[in-house]
Amino acid sequence: NAGVMQNPRHLVRRRGQEARLRCSPMKGHSHVYWYRQLPEEGLKFMVYLQKENIIDESGMPKERFSAEFPKEGPSILRIQQVVRGDSAAYFCASSPRSDEQFFGPGTRLTVL
Amino acid sequence: GEDVEQSLFLSVREGDSSVINCTYTDSSSTYLYWYKQEPGAGLQLLTYIFSNMDMKQDQRLTVLLNKKDKHLSLRIADTQTGDSAIYFCAESTDTGFQKLVFGTGTRLLVSP
Repeated sequence: NAGVMQNPRHLVRRRGQEARLRCSPMKGHSHVYWYRQLPEEGLKFMVYLQKENIIDESGMPKERFSAEFPKEGPSILRIQQVVRGDSAAYFCASSPRSDEQFFGPGTRLTVL
Repeated sequence: GEDVEQSLFLSVREGDSSVINCTYTDSSSTYLYWYKQEPGAGLQLLTYIFSNMDMKQDQRLTVLLNKKDKHLSLRIADTQTGDSAIYFCAESTDTGFQKLVFGTGTRLLVSP
């Protein structure tokens, strides 16, 4: 059973571009969580999704950020018009129920 | 509000015991966790403790919870160089799902 997969592992974008981060949960897991880790900080919760539904997005910035978890395919975290402050590591986690979360290796976004 | 604090850095010699401390503020925390993050990698769940327990032991790891003082510690016995990593404490409250709140992480350096 492969672990949580995230791609790309590293992403470089110029200011104003769009960033799309993908997360494939573990097989059988229908719950996905996104976290952001700014340099030298802990992880901060962004959003919790189940298939086709956003359950809690209380940690998502109000503008430019969106997330989805379609019926088929990976979960996507989309950041429009990126700014330098979006540079961070973005981690996805999945769980079979709303309990223990298994983390992916992260996507490190650098905004130039 | 929720807040989790950790000391930033700990240095020990190989073979010694390491003790990493964490304080949290949310008295309604359900579970408390310890995660390990190696350079460039995602988070690996090491162990967790339910809030009505005061101690949990798992091989070289011992977790102590003082619920009155909201203090959590992780003791690693016979620390090895492979234990060098960042250790994150996290707490969750069952708000329908386990929404993790992370500390800023303690960087453990183990020298030979």
